Amino acid sequence: EVQLVESGGGLVQPGGSLRLSCAASGFTFSYYWMAWVRQAPGEGLEWVASIKQDGSGEYYVDSVKGRFTISRDNARNALFLQMNSLRAEDTALYYCARDWGVWGSYYFDYWGRGTLVTVSS
Amino acid sequence: DIQMTQSPSSVSASVGDRVTITCRASQGIRNSLAWFQQKPGQAPKSLIYAASSLQSGVPSKFGGSGSGTDFSLTISGLQPEDFATYYCQQYNTYPPTFGPGTTVDIK
Repeated sequence: EVQLVESGGGLVQPGGSLRLSCAASGFTFSYYWMAWVRQAPGEGLEWVASIKQDGSGEYYVDSVKGRFTISRDNARNALFLQMNSLRAEDTALYYCARDWGVWGSYYFDYWGRGTLVTVSS
Repeated sequence: DIQMTQSPSSVSASVGDRVTITCRASQGIRNSLAWFQQKPGQAPKSLIYAASSLQSGVPSKFGGSGSGTDFSLTISGLQPEDFATYYCQQYNTYPPTFGPGTTVDIK
């Protein structure tokens, strides 16, 4: 059974940093692109970032470029999101998601339950 | 970026009803369209990809259709567990984008 479990969320002041983690199990992690998708309170879904199987390619939504970094550790079956220079508008539930296609389809077939990031003073 | 719109934004229905939700893309996206179901406090669940292909384990009461810019999701024989918010997502053109969601609630 595919499982994705996020952690690392919390309350942080504007301008601060936070590192999210996602523990993956139930599939061969190194075969798949992975992604982060977020959902602001009461709002819809927004893709944030994706990463290739070997970490050689990273892709970001414009609003987080230069501030967020997606990375992975295939030996530990783990995905990360380093978030710097956080803003109030980054407040959201952050989901870890598996990309369905080995070529990077941007269709996400499995999702974790999310970790909440709140940016507030 | 491709803008996705959904209609209606919400719909009230009864158990046993058939409900259809539409999704429109601002540009053609071939059949690169997915549908997700989200219940309060839960992660999104994939229902349909490639506009009409059922994700493994999803019951056949969910059906998708469309191509290009206009798509629809039909839910037949609504059950209590189907009351949720449904999102469409295009993955044809980078960056991937989601619709605003359609809430199906109990009449």
